[in-house]
Amino acid sequence: QSVLTQPPSVSEAPRQRVTISCSGSSSNIGNNAVNWYQQLPGKAPKVLIYYDALLPSGVSDRFSGSKSGNSASLAISGLQSEDEADYYCAAWDDTLNGPVFGTGTKVTVL
Amino acid sequence: QVQLQESGPGLVKPSQTLSLTCTVSGGSSSGGNYYWSWIRQPAGKGLEWIGRIYNGGSTNYNPSLKSRVTMSVDTSRNQFSLRLTSVTAADTAVYFCARLKNSGIYSYFDYWGQGTLVTVSS
Repeated sequence: QSVLTQPPSVSEAPRQRVTISCSGSSSNIGNNAVNWYQQLPGKAPKVLIYYDALLPSGVSDRFSGSKSGNSASLAISGLQSEDEADYYCAAWDDTLNGPVFGTGTKVTVL
Repeated sequence: QVQLQESGPGLVKPSQTLSLTCTVSGGSSSGGNYYWSWIRQPAGKGLEWIGRIYNGGSTNYNPSLKSRVTMSVDTSRNQFSLRLTSVTAADTAVYFCARLKNSGIYSYFDYWGQGTLVTVSS
């Protein structure tokens, strides 16, 4: 039921940079804040980015977020093995009157 | 530090009702700009928001589940609950409870429970 589209997977070598895209519409990303969550295997999601580009306390500044129009991106710089996880974008949807999540992207560190 | 913990049966028979409770500790389920939510995740799939409840009892549900979902809150016990009726195998998933922080300009899930697997099977 995901209405936000992400690439299924991305991979890169350690210490490199990856970018994950998230595409939505004017009823969600285009009109509301975007959040990003990291889900380690077997764990609950954890917020990485909120309000498009803000980092919660304790989150590494290797993570950064941006938004333009109906799309958003998450960048991870200085890739580390511990970054291997599933990443989900999310945004409030005015039609749903609730949050919608992205399809999820699996990050692999080569 | 706020902690959330889901509890409830791990196995539910088809057509019966799934009932889960989330207990909040290290904080209160009343007061503040927070909503309490349920989110589920079928094995190997993405996240689906089920609904939210405010401490006053007002609710919003995902339209795709609205006819089968009821959420409630017990502020005296720092708990909130989920009931999902007429379950089928498609409702098999890990169910998370989470706190939705709402500033009025943005909102995000800042605390999550560890999740509990509910399997629908006879």
